Amino acid sequence: SQTIHQWPATLVQPVGSPLSLECTVEGTSNPNLYWYRQAAGRGLQLLFYSVGIGQISSEVPQNLSASRPQDRQFILSSKKLLLSDSGFYLCAWSWGSGKNIQYFGAGTRLSVL
Amino acid sequence: AQSVTQPDIHITVSEGASLELRCNYSYGATPYLFWYVQSPGQGLQLLLKYFSGDTLVQGIKGFEAEFKRSQSSFNLRKPSVHWSDAAEYFCAVVRGGSNYKLTFGKGTLLTVNP
Repeated sequence: SQTIHQWPATLVQPVGSPLSLECTVEGTSNPNLYWYRQAAGRGLQLLFYSVGIGQISSEVPQNLSASRPQDRQFILSSKKLLLSDSGFYLCAWSWGSGKNIQYFGAGTRLSVL
Repeated sequence: AQSVTQPDIHITVSEGASLELRCNYSYGATPYLFWYVQSPGQGLQLLLKYFSGDTLVQGIKGFEAEFKRSQSSFNLRKPSVHWSDAAEYFCAVVRGGSNYKLTFGKGTLLTVNP
């Protein structure tokens, strides 16, 4: 069966520090991968999605970037965090004929202080 | 562009009572529709989905939803709510076929009173 892992679960970082959040999927190959940010009362905002290694599409201009160095690995990064980067970050994957169905990781709570 | 509206930000029901969470979408073509549930501090879990066929779909945890094209709605229902159903619920839509990007509503927070 397929599983998705996100880490860390919680992160507290100072303003101006770098960021690296990692997401990996097991039990499947060539998945679509997604990064979302969730802010209170705003629902989920799609940040990036990837349909293959090295293929990244950005949905919202921002202080963040994403990379997909391996088929089942998706990384969310920032060189210098802003206060406004605080939030709950969710990774998701979809695959095959059911690519419309997205499955989510447990999320990372990021607090920028 | 497609959009999803969940009119109720917060709903409170008593345990054992029936539940209906509303979802309206704006999309011209055939939509694929989803309901997800999120417990505090957790990721999203898929409750049910509608792609085509029978407009009443059954999901996990005793939930069901009905697709009504004429009303552009996909409301979620449960006949008897349990305290463990307290969570936030999100409706989502995607263009059927080639676009894999979900558009989410802003969610409805469900509180269950004992």
